[in-house]
Amino acid sequence: GQNIDQPTEMTATEGAIVQINCTYQTSGFNGLFWYQQHAGEAPTFLSYNVLDGLEEKGRFSSFLSRSKGYSYLLLKELQMKDSASYLCAVRDPADYKLSFGAGTTVTVRA
Amino acid sequence: NAGVMQNPRHLVRRRGQEARLRCSPMKGHSHVYWYRQLPEEGLKFMVYLQKENIIDESGMPKERFSAEFPKEGPSILRIQQVVRGDSAAYFCASSPRGDRQSSYNSPLHFGNGTRLTVT
Repeated sequence: GQNIDQPTEMTATEGAIVQINCTYQTSGFNGLFWYQQHAGEAPTFLSYNVLDGLEEKGRFSSFLSRSKGYSYLLLKELQMKDSASYLCAVRDPADYKLSFGAGTTVTVRA
Repeated sequence: NAGVMQNPRHLVRRRGQEARLRCSPMKGHSHVYWYRQLPEEGLKFMVYLQKENIIDESGMPKERFSAEFPKEGPSILRIQQVVRGDSAAYFCASSPRGDRQSSYNSPLHFGNGTRLTVT
């Protein structure tokens, strides 16, 4: 089975940093993905981790610890447009399908 | 636009009618995944298809739901005799291939979804 947990909501101030945690217990693992989804829109790919460590991409970074079944997405220098839902997903090695957490809604306040 | 194309964007059906949702994958992509998203919930996997083959339908309800990806044309998700509980956003995603060499770190690319409302 797949169990992927992330907080439901987070609020932060413009210019600040927010860290969204994700823990997972899955029957298989072939990488962890983070997606951003604005209301009413398609999820868009943000980052991918398959090895332990930190991947940095501009204002966004993602970390993975496979032994702990843990990842986080770090958003720096928050902007109002970063208000969205952030989805953590684990890829199944058998058929490459993604299993998603319920998503974390981030609200950025001025 | 070379992205994943879904239509219609919005679909309204009365209880008991049929809903047909279409998805054209990105150019060069031969693998299609369908997901359902209920309000305030995450994306739930439904089915994974390649051309003319259903690879994994473990997330599909046993009745009323079917999916196909013919040799020519878009992938179709079909819901027969819709009920109010079928109201949701249905997303299609595509990837180039499923084998390790060509899609090792390739993410799924999602379409804009079809929002089905059953009245």
